[in-house]
Amino acid sequence: KNQVEQSPQSLIILEGKNCTLQCNYTVSPFSNLRWYKQDTGRGPVSLTIMTFSENTKSNGRYTATLDADTKQSSLHITASQLSDSASYICVVSALGNTGKLIFGQGTTLQVKP
Amino acid sequence: NAGVTQTPKFQVLKTGQSMTLQCAQDMNHNSMYWYRQDPGMGLRLIYYSASEGTTDKGEVPNGYNVSRLNKREFSLRLESAAPSQTSVYFCASKRQGDTEAFFGQGTRLTVV
Repeated sequence: KNQVEQSPQSLIILEGKNCTLQCNYTVSPFSNLRWYKQDTGRGPVSLTIMTFSENTKSNGRYTATLDADTKQSSLHITASQLSDSASYICVVSALGNTGKLIFGQGTTLQVKP
Repeated sequence: NAGVTQTPKFQVLKTGQSMTLQCAQDMNHNSMYWYRQDPGMGLRLIYYSASEGTTDKGEVPNGYNVSRLNKREFSLRLESAAPSQTSVYFCASKRQGDTEAFFGQGTRLTVV
């Protein structure tokens, strides 16, 4: 069964600190993996995409990694800001699945001053 | 750029009432989706439309119906609302062959 599991479920950090969110998946055959950011009361917005051949990709203070062998991805946030408080959702696409996306349950991050 | 627009943003229904959630996108996307989001469960697919004129069931379709009115619009109907349908509903769209979904701002529905 295609599944995406994220950890931790929630996280509280102080402003300026770093954190890492984890995503494990069992989706096969794998197409790509996206990290979405969902602010409170808003819809998710894509942060970054990781394809099979990519190991690391950065988008400002966000760095995503992908290990296709172990089927794990991480999202590292550097020098956190209060505006980073949100839910972060890992979404995996499988090849040939008519466009359906497999969602993780999300990690809720709270950045405190 | 409006993107994906959902109406209404908030709704309270009594058990047994019916309503339709509206969704429209202006990005010329072929595929459109309806999800529900519940605490601790993530987004679950209710129905989707891979292209104009087609609709298919997702993970949790019971109690819902959909209509792909045209390429822009995809509506979700609750025929007889139940408290278990209290949730936040998101509409999304994406380009065929792409994997980035664009979401509306959500509809918070409470069934009492």
